[in-house]
Amino acid sequence: DAGVIQSPRHEVTEMGQEVTLRCKPISGHNSLFWYRQTMMRGLELLIYFNNNVPIDDSGMPEDRFSAKMPNASFSTLKIQPSEPRDSAVYFCASSLDRNQPQHFGDGTRLSIL
Amino acid sequence: QKEVEQNSGPLSVPEGAIASLNCTYSDRGSQSFFWYRQYSGKSPELIMSIYSNGDKEDGRFTAQLNKASQYVSLLIRDSQPSDSATYLCAVNPGRRALTFGSGTRLQVQP
Repeated sequence: DAGVIQSPRHEVTEMGQEVTLRCKPISGHNSLFWYRQTMMRGLELLIYFNNNVPIDDSGMPEDRFSAKMPNASFSTLKIQPSEPRDSAVYFCASSLDRNQPQHFGDGTRLSIL
Repeated sequence: QKEVEQNSGPLSVPEGAIASLNCTYSDRGSQSFFWYRQYSGKSPELIMSIYSNGDKEDGRFTAQLNKASQYVSLLIRDSQPSDSATYLCAVNPGRRALTFGSGTRLQVQP
């Protein structure tokens, strides 16, 4: 079975550019989560969706960040404009429902110069 | 107070010993508890789930839950150098999504 698929694996871009991260959850999973991980702050939940509907976006740092889930098999996390402090590893995870174990993708390592 | 607290470590144990990793949580309404292992540069990987008080064993791993004390632990028996990683405790507080601790770095010395 395919796991959670994220793209790109690595992204290096200049400050001010738009960044789009993509995620395909495990088929049949109803909940999808976006996390950011840094050495300083650990693993932080940014937003999660249940049945394609955003449920909790309280972790989204500011208006520069937005996330969408247009269908059950695809989600995007967008940063516009990007800043150096956005540099981190961004993980997408999915689960059968909010209370079930989450399965993580390989992550996107984002570097903003 | 953090919602999920773990000692950051590193916890260093000799090969073959028992490694004991601990986690406390603040929300008494929490129902689901998970342990994830994360190797450097990799994504978190689920290794144990526990939902009721007591012990749950899976191979060399034992998860222990004490809801009265708001405490969950992970024991790794016969520790191997390949167990060296960061172990993340995750708690589902019921009304919200999973909350992760900051992780404990385990080093198993050959």
